[in-house]
Amino acid sequence: RKEVEQDPGPFNVPEGATVAFNCTYSNSASQSFFWYRQDCRKEPKLLMSVYSSGNEDGRFTAQLNRASQYISLLIRDSKLSDSATYLCAVFDYKLSFGAGTTVTVRA
Amino acid sequence: SQTIHQWPATLVQPVGSPLSLECTVEGTSNPNLYWYRQAAGRGLQLLFYSVGIGQISSEVPQNLSASRPQDRQFILSSKKLLLSDSGFYLCAWGLPQETQYFGPGTRLLVL
Repeated sequence: RKEVEQDPGPFNVPEGATVAFNCTYSNSASQSFFWYRQDCRKEPKLLMSVYSSGNEDGRFTAQLNRASQYISLLIRDSKLSDSATYLCAVFDYKLSFGAGTTVTVRA
Repeated sequence: SQTIHQWPATLVQPVGSPLSLECTVEGTSNPNLYWYRQAAGRGLQLLFYSVGIGQISSEVPQNLSASRPQDRQFILSSKKLLLSDSGFYLCAWGLPQETQYFGPGTRLLVL
């Protein structure tokens, strides 16, 4: 089983829609969780950290479910500029990345 | 603020040629440094990490090596490139158990 798994998508959504997707992790002792955004042919950039209580940054909401070992990312009121691949990352002794979920927002 | 530099941005090399990619970090001291490779349509694969000068840990056996001659310099090398070495090479820095920040990457094509 992979350490970190994501639905590759793509998720094709219209502007203004809400899109949500999950990332599962295998190590129950994992301590830190993050979401990154990666645009085509660019480096991943940190989108947000994921805290135990969940956190929100504008239109983006991240949540952690330790019992079921997954983190989620929800994007409200999608913009064309949200089109990207979203990578989740989980830290135990190293940072392990999922392969990414591709989101395409259409006009 | 911290910045991370990588060069070159793109590289086309013949099979069997040597490789040297450089990464430097500014604005932080004694960071953990990482080399990742991302193949087309694939996830990030951790190749090497370093917690200090001269300290290198390899995650996967491969055709590559890494060195850290200075606190904020991390070098990825190969003596003889293989076709399978093609990919997007990303350097990252981070503090222990915290998130990592990536450089702009080097896109390597081995022909």
